[in-house]
Amino acid sequence: GESVGLHLPTLSVQEGDNSIINCAYSNSASDYFIWYKQESGKGPQFIIDIRSNMDKRQGQRVTVLLNKTVKHLSLQIAATQPGDSAVYFCAENSGYSTLTFGKGTMLLVSP
Amino acid sequence: KAGVTQTPRYLIKTRGQQVTLSCSPISGHRSVSWYQQTPGQGLQFLFEYFSETQRNKGNFPGRFSGRQFSNSRSEMNVSTLELGDSALYLCASSLVQGTKETQYFGPGTRLLVL
Repeated sequence: GESVGLHLPTLSVQEGDNSIINCAYSNSASDYFIWYKQESGKGPQFIIDIRSNMDKRQGQRVTVLLNKTVKHLSLQIAATQPGDSAVYFCAENSGYSTLTFGKGTMLLVSP
Repeated sequence: KAGVTQTPRYLIKTRGQQVTLSCSPISGHRSVSWYQQTPGQGLQFLFEYFSETQRNKGNFPGRFSGRQFSNSRSEMNVSTLELGDSALYLCASSLVQGTKETQYFGPGTRLLVL
């Protein structure tokens, strides 16, 4: 079946750096993508989303970029803080509230 | 608004038993989805309910079942538990707005099968 996958399982950055987390998807028909953050012992927390008719969307300290040509998503976190340490998942909406998740990237932020 | 709530938060069962997990969605949300999260398989879709009807189902055996009530609360049941069913079970609710269905997750129920 089609799936969403991540390139890097772990990303280590220094506090204050910008972080970039990447994701490849395979279903070219997907029209809605979401990034989630999951902290230890908690459920995934919505960060930002993007529709397929957009190539960039910005939130507070976060930006999502979508490249449909190469089926690639990225999440950029500006001025990364220790509180940003978590596992980040990209997901695509497969319809009827069905999300297909990538395997996740662990972001480790050192003070 | 209160978030998605799940009960119980932790559960220990033995092989062969059955278990029922409960999920209360965000007020006004009519869609409830269930996911299983394990270290090996990651987050996998189980099923989704909308207005008491199952609209979609993932690739799980028939031992996994669910239902939704008229108040949108949902339960999932796993019968004849196996060791491999040990996982974090997550419930998510969404407000269906066209094709954009942002899902909001609860804290999960951690199930340990011994």
